[in-house]
Amino acid sequence: RKEVEQDPGPFNVPEGATVAFNCTYSNSASQSFFWYRQDCRKEPKLLMSVYSSGNEDGRFTAQLNRASQYISLLIRDSKLSDSATYLCVVEGYNFNKFYFGSGTKLNVKP
Amino acid sequence: NAGVTQTPKFQVLKTGQSMTLQCAQDMNHEYMSWYRQDPGMGLRLIHYSVGAGITDQGEVPNGYNVSRSTTEDFPLRLLSAAPSQTSVYFCASSYGLAGPSYEQYFGPGTRLTVT
Repeated sequence: RKEVEQDPGPFNVPEGATVAFNCTYSNSASQSFFWYRQDCRKEPKLLMSVYSSGNEDGRFTAQLNRASQYISLLIRDSKLSDSATYLCVVEGYNFNKFYFGSGTKLNVKP
Repeated sequence: NAGVTQTPKFQVLKTGQSMTLQCAQDMNHEYMSWYRQDPGMGLRLIHYSVGAGITDQGEVPNGYNVSRSTTEDFPLRLLSAAPSQTSVYFCASSYGLAGPSYEQYFGPGTRLTVT
């Protein structure tokens, strides 16, 4: 079983739509969770950390569900500039290691 | 700050050749790591270091060596290149090992093709 699994998409949504991605993880002891954004042929960049209580940054909301071992990312009022691949990252069994999901591709259309 | 820099940006090798991918950071980060990214596979950890003189293996270490003689530099050596090592390689660094310090900053990547 993979450490982190994501739906590869693509999710094709119109501008202004709300879209949500989920990511499941296998290590129940993980303490650190993140969403990264990766534009085509570029390096990943941190979008937001995911805290136990959930967190919000503008149009982006991240949630953690420990019981079901998944994290989610909600994007409201999608913009064309949100088109990218969103990577879920989870701390591994060895606390020095992080595991990346294969990413969910989002296409926001005019 | 330049952040995390990687050289070269592109490289073509023949099977059996060796080379070193360079990575440097100027943020005084203790934690550095190397990943490879293949289509549909996400990023996979090759090797990582928690400080100068300390390195350890990640998920896919075979065929690669690393060393960390300074805080700033973390080169990745391909010992004998194979077509299976064709990939995009990212170097990353972070300040610490807990909480928000975990944010990893990535270099722009090296696109390697082995023929």
